[in-house]
Amino acid sequence: EIVLTQSPATLSLSPGESATLSCGASQSVSSSYLAWYQQKPGLAPRLLIYDAYTRATGIPDRFSGSGSGTDFTLTISRLEPEDFVVYYCQQYGSSPLTFGGGTKVEIK
Amino acid sequence: QVQLVESGGGVVQPGRSLRLSCAASGFSFSSYDMHWVRQAPGKGLQWVAVISYDGNNIYYTDSVKGRFTISRDNAKNTLYLQMNSLRAEDTAVYYCARDGRVTVTTFFDYWGQGTLVTVSS
Repeated sequence: EIVLTQSPATLSLSPGESATLSCGASQSVSSSYLAWYQQKPGLAPRLLIYDAYTRATGIPDRFSGSGSGTDFTLTISRLEPEDFVVYYCQQYGSSPLTFGGGTKVEIK
Repeated sequence: QVQLVESGGGVVQPGRSLRLSCAASGFSFSSYDMHWVRQAPGKGLQWVAVISYDGNNIYYTDSVKGRFTISRDNAKNTLYLQMNSLRAEDTAVYYCARDGRVTVTTFFDYWGQGTLVTVSS
């Protein structure tokens, strides 16, 4: 099973700043099969990025993904108030599908 | 538009059973693999099970193997999760989710609102 480790657990930033969230895999994620999700309190997760860098439908270009192998990054530029929530990475390169533990982006 | 609506959650005693349903609309249900994903209170996400578009391929996370059964009725556009021998650690919000690609198991592009299952005596 591929274990995904997200860092930091909490990121404290101000609106307008950029956020860099990391997702490290215990072994290489084949074909960069990695997705990122955003989850607001009390709601279901929302797909942001898939295949490591492809934005899902309707996702603003402030969100970008990068990386390959065992190291992946979600960058959120120009943080908006609604961006201060929790983010998860997920790999689908091998079974079982696994998620990272999440990064909470909070207002500084 | 794509809609996934779960139902069937509730409070159940340890060792008992519960069946969740997920009604799908707004897309060709019979063309997509479908998943159950759960989230324990205050915790992260855990993939639970997947069923292929035609029901012929099914996989589970180890902790539910032998206790949970995923199934689907393509004529009714409905996904199910039969949960037997429930344990306290199964307490979670259960989401049904559509696979992001046709006939391949990948990411989750649409999610239901979730249904809460509480296992407690």
